[in-house]
Amino acid sequence: AQRVTQPEKLLSVFKGAPVELKCNYSYSGSPELFWYVQYSRQRLQLLLRHISRESIKGFTADLNKGETSFHLKKPFAQEEDSAMYYCASRGSNYKLTFGKGTLLTVNP
Amino acid sequence: NAGVMQNPRHLVRRRGQEARLRCSPMKGHSHVYWYRQLPEEGLKFMVYLQKENIIDESGMPKERFSAEFPKEGPSILRIQQVVRGDSAAYFCASSPVPGGNTGELFFGEGSRLTVL
Repeated sequence: AQRVTQPEKLLSVFKGAPVELKCNYSYSGSPELFWYVQYSRQRLQLLLRHISRESIKGFTADLNKGETSFHLKKPFAQEEDSAMYYCASRGSNYKLTFGKGTLLTVNP
Repeated sequence: NAGVMQNPRHLVRRRGQEARLRCSPMKGHSHVYWYRQLPEEGLKFMVYLQKENIIDESGMPKERFSAEFPKEGPSILRIQQVVRGDSAAYFCASSPVPGGNTGELFFGEGSRLTVL
């Protein structure tokens, strides 16, 4: 069974500081990994996917198969990055398995 | 495109009553997924439906819960004889193809059920 672990429930940083939201997964095959984000009073939405190798809003995430991790990083956090972040994985089927989420607060 | 619409946004029920949650997918999307989020937990998959078909209900509790997605109208998640443990946020998501092809699901704002 797939499992996604986000060890930090809360993460607080100051504006301009680097931020890293941790995500570890367990899956015997080759999963697809995603980060979803939920800003205050908005619906959950896709932030980025590992396949695309893209940078969205300054965020990047690298899939490390050796460490089974998919940490989300941004070199300089902004106040508008404050949100709930969910890591998710998808195996050979269509189901997304979500972590419990990390609430990021960027302080001025 | 109004996005995935869920209603009601908030629903209060007493133990033993029935709860019906509705989800209208995005225009052009024929695949619907229901997720449940218990307090302090992540989103847990419940059921995946296409029009008139339940494709995967492996995440649904065996009793009291049912889901449908009729040819016309919204998808409905029905909980009979609710208990306090059913209190949660229920999220609906849709995609144009199975699993969203790229993995992207489009979520509604959720329906928060409170059982007294």
